[in-house]
Amino acid sequence: NAGVTQTPKFQVLKTGQSMTLQCAQDMNHEYMSWYRQDPGMGLRLIHYSVGAGITDQGEVPNGYNVSRSTTEDFPLRLLSAAPSQTSVYFCASRSRSSYNEQFFGPGTRLTVL
Amino acid sequence: GIQVEQSPPDLILQEGANSTLRCNFSDSVNNLQWFHQNPWGQLINLFYIPSGTKQNGRLSATTVATERYSLLYISSSQTTDSGVYFCAGTFLTGGGNKLTFGTGTQLKVEL
Repeated sequence: NAGVTQTPKFQVLKTGQSMTLQCAQDMNHEYMSWYRQDPGMGLRLIHYSVGAGITDQGEVPNGYNVSRSTTEDFPLRLLSAAPSQTSVYFCASRSRSSYNEQFFGPGTRLTVL
Repeated sequence: GIQVEQSPPDLILQEGANSTLRCNFSDSVNNLQWFHQNPWGQLINLFYIPSGTKQNGRLSATTVATERYSLLYISSSQTTDSGVYFCAGTFLTGGGNKLTFGTGTQLKVEL
């Protein structure tokens, strides 16, 4: 199993540009989520999905969109990038029960100029 | 809201020393995990430990859910142990879908 994969690893955007961060998992996990990590802080939840076709907002959802058309993929879209979105983005997945551990991808380091 | 507090915030050890990292949380926990974020930013799962004690090599962890804390023990530390250690949990009042992270313990192991 590849686990949780993310692309790209690094990205530089200009303010106002849009882009999609990709996340995929091959563990047949129902639950997937996106977090962002800012310097000196732990991770904060942006959006999550409990299954294909179902998404919900986390702690810091503004400026981000998500969709979940398949179990495997959970892309995160920035519609109009802002410097405040400079961060490291992590995707995670777990199986349905909230008692199961989450597995994280390697992260995408995004800089918005 | 739910609070997850870690101590100490920073720790410097000589290689070979032992240490204990603490995680306190403010609510009843469903799931508690410990992660190591290495200097390259990768998050590595160390333990999934909602209660009880687990050991993996030089690392072990104990969660006392009734008293709302967890401990991570590192024995015979090595320079490769350097990085940030996070605890994170899902909680009953959080609906089980949100992993709440502490702010981490920055560990540096020196020769």
